Amino acid sequence: AQKVTQAQTEISVVEKEDVTLDCVYETRDTTYYLFWYKQPPSGELVFLIRRNSFDEQNEISGRYSWNFQKSTSSFNFTITASQVVDSAVYFCALSNDYKLSFGAGTTVTVRA
Amino acid sequence: GAGVSQSPSNKVTEKGKDVELRCDPISGHTALYWYRQSLGQGLEFLIYFQGNSAPDKSGLPSDRFSAERTGGSVSTLTIQRTQQEDSAVYLCASSLNGPGTGELFFGEGSRLTVL
Repeated sequence: AQKVTQAQTEISVVEKEDVTLDCVYETRDTTYYLFWYKQPPSGELVFLIRRNSFDEQNEISGRYSWNFQKSTSSFNFTITASQVVDSAVYFCALSNDYKLSFGAGTTVTVRA
Repeated sequence: GAGVSQSPSNKVTEKGKDVELRCDPISGHTALYWYRQSLGQGLEFLIYFQGNSAPDKSGLPSDRFSAERTGGSVSTLTIQRTQQEDSAVYLCASSLNGPGTGELFFGEGSRLTVL
């Protein structure tokens, strides 16, 4: 069985602060894929990143960075110098083959 | 358009009525998914279609729910005898082959309200 836990329900920060979203997963598979999606108020989920279980390199894309640690089954996401436009619900997800299991999501509110 | 298209965007119905939700995936995408998002909840997997293979219906919550995909393209999710607990946003997604090979592209969802 697969499970994704996003322990933080809501995070509120002031613009320009950094914010880190935690994601812990459970799977018995050795090959799996991890994702982050953003859901802005408009409702449409936007893909942010996909990592496979064999690639533990951290990744940075602009103000976004991801820290994948297999030893702790975590795939955390950091937004540096947050902006109001970053306000959204962020979902972490896990897939072994085709079924994508999502966490409950973390609502991020960035105040000006 | 180039994205996943869902209709209707909003549907209000009375308890006991049947509803049909439609999803037009991205052209050429063989994989199609339905998810349900209830208020304040994560995304709950409902059903998965891949090409001509038998669909994975393991996420459908009851036999009132069914889905089909005609011609490997458009999909319809049908909910019979709707109940108030069916109220949610129903999201459709498609991908080229599946999440193991690439991202899922989501539609904007169909918001269902059962009175």
